[in-house]
Amino acid sequence: EADIYQTPRYLVIGTGKKITLECSQTMGHDKMYWYQQDPGMELHLIHYSYGVNSTEKGDLSSESTVSRIRTEHFPLTLESARPSHTSQYLCASSEYGQGRQGNEQFFGPGTRLTVL
Amino acid sequence: DQQVKQNSPSLSVQEGRISILNCDYTNSMFDYFLWYKKYPAEGPTFLISISSIKDKNEDGRFTVFLNKSAKHLSLHIVPSQPGDSAVYFCAASAYGGSQGNLIFGKGTKLSVKP
Repeated sequence: EADIYQTPRYLVIGTGKKITLECSQTMGHDKMYWYQQDPGMELHLIHYSYGVNSTEKGDLSSESTVSRIRTEHFPLTLESARPSHTSQYLCASSEYGQGRQGNEQFFGPGTRLTVL
Repeated sequence: DQQVKQNSPSLSVQEGRISILNCDYTNSMFDYFLWYKKYPAEGPTFLISISSIKDKNEDGRFTVFLNKSAKHLSLHIVPSQPGDSAVYFCAASAYGGSQGNLIFGKGTKLSVKP
């Protein structure tokens, strides 16, 4: 059973507010990811990290930022939320450098963000 | 341009019958493929995977077939159960490309009717 947690599960917030979406995993995985997904669409990778102090931008441009100060924690921050940021945000983790099996990513339950 | 395509947005099957979900890809560098299942308001859960060195992988009621020449894979669920009703995502990775990041399709919503 994968142990990856996201808070909050749902967030409704006004335009211009700063928000941080939390993601934690207890599996000791090196690699972590943030995806954005809208209904009927694919998961778009917006950020990933190979390990502590590593952050990389994903395929989809995003105004959000991430940090990785601890292995288990990978928070995502939006400095000024806008209605266009309304989406579901999914955090995932995987082993890194463990061969092909390392490509299985374990997902958290997601945060449904609505910006009014 | 989508590298992983799931051309059927939805599929409806009768309980007990076979469900076949299809996925096509365009990048010949992909060498590892995965299927995920997603319920509403939850994160995707890993179902089954296949390496490009194989053409079939089976796990209980789930079997994935890979046809590399056609750049096509399919997920078979036999027998289908109402609890299988969910959105199924196909994903692919190219080892060495961004260190194995996954590229996802748009998903197929499977409805299994009792």
